Parts: sequence; structure tokens; C-alpha cells
Amino acid sequence: GAVVSQHPSRVICKSGTSVKIECRSLDFQATTMFWYRQFPKQSLMLMATSNEGSKATYEQGVEKDKFLINHASLTLSTLTVTSAHPEDSSFYICSAGPIGTGYYEQFFGPGTRLTVL
Amino acid sequence: QKEVEQNSGPLSVPEGAIASLNCTYSDRGSQSFFWYRQYSGKSPELIMSIYSNGDKEDGRFTAQLNKASQYVSLLIRDSQPSDSATYLCAVNEGYGGATNKLIFGTGTLLAVQP
Repeated sequence: GAVVSQHPSRVICKSGTSVKIECRSLDFQATTMFWYRQFPKQSLMLMATSNEGSKATYEQGVEKDKFLINHASLTLSTLTVTSAHPEDSSFYICSAGPIGTGYYEQFFGPGTRLTVL
Repeated sequence: QKEVEQNSGPLSVPEGAIASLNCTYSDRGSQSFFWYRQYSGKSPELIMSIYSNGDKEDGRFTAQLNKASQYVSLLIRDSQPSDSATYLCAVNEGYGGATNKLIFGTGTLLAVQP
């Protein structure tokens, strides 16, 4: 299957700081990437759809000014958690699928565990 | 609101048995269906995709799709303790394309007993 990477895998930061998470498709191009958040023992929650060259589409209830998404190329999307607070501590995961293959699989990155102190 | 439903489990099966995981979806027009496995603390891993009615086999895994009944299942033969995980059923929100959102079920926790 196609490979999606994320960096960093784990980050600990102080309350009020901003954290940037990168999502890369390593062996395919992706016009669209998805960002999810998952709290312990809970379901995946889609936060936003990242679109290459245009604005991201946010799910209802997700603050776009807090979770900044940039999709500057066909292989890279970034999620910046601005002014992070302890309640933002979670597991952030991106996914993407190859375009133009005729198949519609999406592959997840390994995730980034954010802890805000 | 398009929905995907799964029994949350836990589904407990003995080692070597067949585990049967089920999923129903609400949108009759859906065309792309996926099964992901998620170990505790890890991200989901795609294990099967299915697009046509019938069975699709890959090693110990068989996905089954019945569009008339809006039903997708995953069979795991010769279950191993390492198969113990949460299995997520997902349906492409649109009618094709990796650029469409996936609608996930809440997942079924499978526990394979040695």
C-alpha cells in the first residue's frame, strides 16, 4: 500500500504555544488529505479536509482559527495547533489516497501524539 | 446524515476460530467500502477494500459486500491473538474517489483468546 508519514510522532509543549504537524505522502500524490483527532478509547473524529492549493474544509464544531491547515504541495499538508491548551492533548492522524489510480483507498499516517502541559 | 453502524463488541473468539465482523450503512448509493484495523495507541491500517457485490479474499481475510442489504462483513480465518484489535468499517461518502471523506463506524473490538 501507499505510505503516509507524519512528523513529529510525539510532542510535548507548554500551554499557549503553537505546534505544527506535518503529513507527507511518500510515494504518491494527493490533492486531498484528511486530518483526524482521536481521544483515548474514543472513535476517530474527522477535523478537516485539506485541499491542495485551496482552503481547507472544516467539520462542524472545529475552530478553523485554532487548527490551521496548509496544503502547499501534492505531497505535504500541515496542521498547526495554535495556542494549544491541555484540552487539545490528543492523537492527531492524517490520511490520504492516491489520485488517478481508479481505486479509492485512503492510507493513514502513524499519528502524532500531542501533550499540552 | 450518512451512517455506518457496527457492533462495538467486544467480540471474543478462541484462537484458530473464524471471527465475523459486520457493518451496515445507510446510503444505498455507496460504492466503496473499507476495513481498517487499529491496534490500541496506533493509527488505523487498511486491510481490505471492496467495491463489488460478493466476496474478496486476501490471505486469512475475506470481505463480503451485499449492496442490496447494505451490508459489509469481514471474516478472519484462523484467528490469532495478534488479530486482537479494533476493526473499523468505512464507507466512501461520495460515489468514488480518494478525495472523498470516509464515514467510519465506531469499530468492533475483537479479542482472540489463546
